[in-house]
Formats: sequence, C-alpha cells, structure tokens
Amino acid sequence: GENVEQHPSTLSVQEGDSAVIKCTYSDSASNYFPWYKQELGKGPQLIIDIRSNVGEKKDQRIAVTLNKTAKHFSLHITETQPEDSAVYFCAAKGGANNLFFGTGTRLTVIP
Amino acid sequence: GAGVSQSPSNKVTEKGKDVELRCDPISGHTALYWYRQSLGQGLEFLIYFQGNSAPDKSGLPSDRFSAERTGGSVSTLTIQRTQQEDSAVYLCASSPPGGYQETQYFGPGTRLLVL
Repeated sequence: GENVEQHPSTLSVQEGDSAVIKCTYSDSASNYFPWYKQELGKGPQLIIDIRSNVGEKKDQRIAVTLNKTAKHFSLHITETQPEDSAVYFCAAKGGANNLFFGTGTRLTVIP
Repeated sequence: GAGVSQSPSNKVTEKGKDVELRCDPISGHTALYWYRQSLGQGLEFLIYFQGNSAPDKSGLPSDRFSAERTGGSVSTLTIQRTQQEDSAVYLCASSPPGGYQETQYFGPGTRLLVL
C-alpha cells in the first residue's frame, strides 16, 4: 500500500518568514495530494490540494508543488502569521478509497 | 452551510464497555469515512461508505469495531469491549459526489478515553 513520509516533525519560524513542509509518497498510482491544517482540539481542515495533472498550485500565501517523477510534494507558506501555528498533515490518494496521511508537522510561528 | 458534525465530542468509558460514536455528514455528500488519530500521530483509515455499495472495511483493526450508515446519511461507529489502546480521536469525513469526490471534509472528532 501507499506510504507517506513527512518532514520535519516540528518547525519554528519567525513571523513573516516562509515555512516549507515536505512529503514523499511511495505509490506511483497516487494522483491526489491534499494538505490539512489541524488546530488544537479541532478536526483537520483542508487548506489546499493538488492533482497529478499540475505541478504547482497557489492560493494567496499558500502554495503546493508536486514532483511526480521524484514522488514528492511540498507545502509553502509565505509571510507566516501567528495564526498559521498548527499541525499540518499531507496526504496522498490513488486507487484506494481512503487517504494515506503523513505523521504531521507542528508549525510554530514566533511573533 | 453546516459541516460534518460528530457526537459526543468527548467520551470516557471503562475498559470492557461498548461505545457508539455518531457522524452526520455534510448534506448531499455520498461518501463517508471514519479515521482514527492516536496521540501525536497521523490519521489511520478505518472504514468507507459510498452510497448503497458495500462498505470498505479494510482498515478496521479488529472485529470489535463495526460501523453502519443508515439511509445513506448518518453513520455510527461501534466499538465493543473497549480496550485502553482504543483511546484516540475518532474522525469522520464526507465527500461530495462527482468528479472531486476524493476531497474529504472532516468533522471535529470524538475524543475517546478508555480507563
């Protein structure tokens, strides 16, 4: 089955700096890659997703890049703000019904 | 509109007791998923429902776990004879029909503690 690895597990940045979280996947059949933000005590919230027919997608301060050849994808957050502090999860989906999740990155934005 | 709702938000039970967790998906969503999130871990798939098709139970960790979905809407996850290792956050998600049905929207979860 699919195996998703996520790095780093923790990340601290100064407010205004950029944050990058990286994930790799093992199943070349995976074609859908969402990113979720989870705040303490809440369920995961979808923040951006990308499908395998594109290499990059942007939504304001958030962007995701996908390299199908290398089987990795990354989340980029620019101009970070304290409210960006949360745990971020990457996921991948191919032929299976479910998403396969990474183990999460705890992002702390220092004011 | 309303998102995915789950109840109860928290549940404390004693080892050996049965528990039922409820999920109300977003109206009109045909697919429903249950995942489990242990402390500090990623999400582990449990079960998937799509319309009237037979559910995908491939993620259920043991026969103590079961789920049903009545009328294509509300779902109940049942854990029988709970064990301490069942303590986790149980998350439900739903997806719309059509071309983007892989997009999953999560509820707030039920935090289960087995003493």
